[in-house]
Amino acid sequence: EMQLVESGGGLVQPGGSLRLSCRTSGFDFSNFWMTWVRQSPGKGLEWVANIKQDGSVIHYVDSVEGRFAISRDNGKSSLYLQMNSLRAEDTAVYYCARDQDVYNSQTDIWYDVNDIWGQGTIVTVSS
Amino acid sequence: AIQMTQSPSSLSASAGDRVIISCRASQDIRSDLGWYQQKPGKAPKLLIYGASTLLTGVPSRFSGSGSGTDFTLTISSLQPEDFATYYCLQDYSYPRTFGPGTKVNIK
Repeated sequence: EMQLVESGGGLVQPGGSLRLSCRTSGFDFSNFWMTWVRQSPGKGLEWVANIKQDGSVIHYVDSVEGRFAISRDNGKSSLYLQMNSLRAEDTAVYYCARDQDVYNSQTDIWYDVNDIWGQGTIVTVSS
Repeated sequence: AIQMTQSPSSLSASAGDRVIISCRASQDIRSDLGWYQQKPGKAPKLLIYGASTLLTGVPSRFSGSGSGTDFTLTISSLQPEDFATYYCLQDYSYPRTFGPGTKVNIK
């Protein structure tokens, strides 16, 4: 069974740091891009960052650029999110998700989908 | 960043109803759009990718259409397990962006 399990969430003061982990199993982690998505309490989903299989390409949403760092350890089948200079607006449930490239022969286009998700870990930034 | 909007933000419907949810992109995203379903306290679940391709195992009452900037998710006959929030997500460019969601409530 393919699984993603996040950990590392908790309560942190504004300006503090936290490192989230996403442990995966049931698939070859090194073959997939991976993504972090967050959801503030009672709000919608926000895409945060993703990382290529070998870590050589990374993308961030503007609101976390320069404060958060996504990384991975293929030997441990694990994804990480180092969060620094945390703000109250970073309070959210953080999900990791697998990126799957799927090909549609009718449109001759590759699509990037998030097909497997973890259960999320809660980050609360408050004094 | 590409802005995604959805309408309505919420709707009330009964089991058996046909439900249509709209998603609009601020620029042409071809058919690079997915639909996700989220139930309270749970992670999102992928339903449709490429605007209209149903993921294997997703019931055929779900369908998607559109390209360019305008997209729709249709549930042909709403079932009790379909009451949830639905999000569109563009995978045309970075950063990826979700729509604000449409909550489908029980009437």
